[in-house]
Parts: sequence; structure tokens; C-alpha cells
Amino acid sequence: SQQGEEDPQALSIQEGENATMNCSYKTSINNLQWYRQNSGRGLVHLILIRSNEREKHSGRLRVTLDTSKKSSSLLITASRAADTASYFCATGEIIKAAGNKLTFGGGTRVLVKP
Amino acid sequence: AAGVIQSPRHLIKEKRETATLKCYPIPRHDTVYWYQQGPGQDPQFLISFYEKMQSDKGSIPDRFSAQQFSDYHSELNMSSLELGDSALYFCASSPGYSGYTGELFFGEGSRLTVL
Repeated sequence: SQQGEEDPQALSIQEGENATMNCSYKTSINNLQWYRQNSGRGLVHLILIRSNEREKHSGRLRVTLDTSKKSSSLLITASRAADTASYFCATGEIIKAAGNKLTFGGGTRVLVKP
Repeated sequence: AAGVIQSPRHLIKEKRETATLKCYPIPRHDTVYWYQQGPGQDPQFLISFYEKMQSDKGSIPDRFSAQQFSDYHSELNMSSLELGDSALYFCASSPGYSGYTGELFFGEGSRLTVL
């Protein structure tokens, strides 16, 4: 079963509105990350939040993490048409000398209409 | 800035054929990861290498094999291809542990179509 599952699966909003998507996971984590993927393209890292953090901001992005509920949310404020993409959460556990294997959730497809 | 380079970007094969995908990580990144993403699916971890040794293994079929070479590039070899192997294959890299923040850097992917 997947480590992370996202909600909603798809989201359609008007430009200027905020977009919120949620992610749940099942096991203990070291960090949780959000990635963006334009159709058929590579995954681009957006933001990382560590397990001892509760909230993090980066530009128009705000991420929260609730380890007691094993959930995270990504908020994109003042959305733009260029934000149209799929957004994935991924849970990671940094393993010394072996990197950080990520387990991805199902993704939320966001459509921002001009 | 240099990114992860994958080749080929597109590949079309027949069933039961063999395919090889290549990945060139960002310079000074010593860890490479391979992911498979089927149509409408989330990326699934296949395998990773650190300093040319396999560091972790996921849902990689026995028909697939991979290795990391002395220049840190990696190759994913897929044999006896099946229709279900049609997918986007991503390579990602990350730097050595000291100071590492946890972010993975992904290539643009190789799209494999099996007919």
C-alpha cells in the first residue's frame, strides 16, 4: 500500500484563489516533501518539512505537518494559471550514507483557470 | 546549474525486447534513485545506489537490473519487456550525507512504450 495518499485527487480553481491539498501517511517519517509535476515532465521539489517542524513557508507555499495525525497539507495562495500541475507529497527517511528514499502519494491534479 | 540528465527521452520497444536507460546525476551527487511512473499513477521506487553499491531496493521486477558506474552514472536494464512496463522512468540524484537536506533532484524522465 502507498505510504502517502492525497486528497483531493483533483482540484479546479480560478486564478487568484487558494488551493489546498492534503496528504496522509502511515509510518514514521524523517521528513515530508512536496513535489510538482507538469504533465509528462519531471518532478520538481517545492518544499521540505522535517518531522520536528509544524509549519513552513516558501513564497506562496505553506506546508503544515501533523505527526500525531500523520498528515500534511499544502496551501498555494493567490494561484496562477502556471500553477496548473500535479502535486505529490512524498515521505522520506534519511539513511546515513544512503540518501533519502522517497515514497510518493497519489497526487492531486490542480487546474487553475485564468 | 547542471541537472540530472536522462537518455533516451523516448523509447519504443516490442514485447520481449530489451531496453537500457541511462542517468547522469548532478556533479558531486553520489546517490542515484530510479522510479517508475505508470499512466496516471504516482512514482514508484525501484532501486537506489550509493557510491556504486546498491543501497535500497523497491518494487523492481526481476527482469530489471541496474548499476552505478565509477563516474556515478547509472543504467537501468530491462529485459523481456511486457506491455505493463510502458511508463515514465525517472532518475533522481542526491548529494553525500554531510549537510544533505533530503531533497531529491529528478531528471525529465525516459518514456518507454512497449508495443
